[in-house]
Amino acid sequence: AQKVTQAQTEISVVEKEDVTLDCVYETRDTTYYLFWYKQPPSGELVFLIRRNSFDEQNEISGRYSWNFQKSTSSFNFTITASQVVDSAVYFCALSGGDGGFKTIFGAGTRLFVKA
Amino acid sequence: KAGVTQTPRYLIKTRGQQVTLSCSPISGHRSVSWYQQTPGQGLQFLFEYFSETQRNKGNFPGRFSGRQFSNSRSEMNVSTLELGDSALYLCASSLGAPWEKLFFGSGTQLSVL
Repeated sequence: AQKVTQAQTEISVVEKEDVTLDCVYETRDTTYYLFWYKQPPSGELVFLIRRNSFDEQNEISGRYSWNFQKSTSSFNFTITASQVVDSAVYFCALSGGDGGFKTIFGAGTRLFVKA
Repeated sequence: KAGVTQTPRYLIKTRGQQVTLSCSPISGHRSVSWYQQTPGQGLQFLFEYFSETQRNKGNFPGRFSGRQFSNSRSEMNVSTLELGDSALYLCASSLGAPWEKLFFGSGTQLSVL
């Protein structure tokens, strides 16, 4: 069975600090897709990034960066120089492989960025 | 392009009643997924429909059911409501392949008294 674990329930940082959100996944298949979503206080989840299992290249988008390591089954998300607007719940998700046409989510990490 | 629309936004029901929630996906999206979100539990997958067929189902009791219509709109039904069914129910639409990102609605907040 597939599983996504986000061990950090809540993280609190001061503005301009760097913060890394951890995500560990389990799947038996070799083809799968990993995602990060953000749920701001307003409630609506929005997509941030997608990675397929064959592409281990790390990605940087502005202040956001993602580190995908198949060897440790991890897909971690780093926010550099955090801002108050980054305060939200962040979800890591997994689809494809033996899970088929469903996307499963981790429990989420709530990030508080204080001014 | 209109986003995913869920109705109603809020619902208050009593134990034993049943409820129907509605979801209109983004135009052109044929896949609709439903999730239950509760504090501390994250998003629990309920089921996914594509072109009126249920392709996948989560580990929820048979009281939770869904369907999808020919226009891709979807409904989910919960019968014999229990207190533990109180949650935010989220609908997400996509083009249907496993690599496609999900677009979420604002959800229906269900309170069971």
